[in-house]
Amino acid sequence: EAQVTQNPRYLITVTGKKLTVTCSQNMNHEYMSWYRQDPGLGLRQIYYSMNVEVTDKGDVPEGYKVSRKEKRNFPLILESPSPNQTSLYFCASRGPGPQGYTFGSGTRLTVV
Amino acid sequence: KQEVTQIPAALSVPEGENLVLNCSFTDSAIYNLQWFRQDPGKGLTSLLLIQSSQREQTSGRLNASLDKSSGRSTLYIAASQPGDSATYLCAVLFMYSGGGADGLTFGKGTHLIIQP
Repeated sequence: EAQVTQNPRYLITVTGKKLTVTCSQNMNHEYMSWYRQDPGLGLRQIYYSMNVEVTDKGDVPEGYKVSRKEKRNFPLILESPSPNQTSLYFCASRGPGPQGYTFGSGTRLTVV
Repeated sequence: KQEVTQIPAALSVPEGENLVLNCSFTDSAIYNLQWFRQDPGKGLTSLLLIQSSQREQTSGRLNASLDKSSGRSTLYIAASQPGDSATYLCAVLFMYSGGGADGLTFGKGTHLIIQP
């Protein structure tokens, strides 16, 4: 089944403790993105990648890092999480041309 | 900067009614437009994808139209059912000249409740 898989689904952590949210897609897609969703603010792009080793900032990149060493994986790294990064996070991917994005099931992160 | 607006923010209608959700965007240089459905606390399910060269797409009781020149899209839901209750999100894939950025710009959604 074609899908985008995120892990973990739920995560509670403490301020300052480094964490990684994994994202993997099995559709051989070039484009991948990370979004966060917050009440009243909607979905906002954090980072995107147009292919292996090609990444760039979205609208809200502060406090986040990403890497794209393999085509299928696009992990989101929070080096020193803070409470304002408590959010619902989504990973997404799409193929070439004007194809639509497929989203993962989301990761609900709480930073205390 | 591309902005996407959805109207209304919330809508409650009795079962069986036909309804229209509206989406507008400020920059017509879009690559495509997607409508998504999101159930509370859940992920995004893609409903319809309209390429920039298309005028509409249909899937079952759903029909989405696109007027790129005026920056508008509508999602028409026929014969609404309680199971259609969800938040509906409109998102545009913006086209950057010369390549570069990629990603969706989302509206804040229409929260739809279908009363049994």
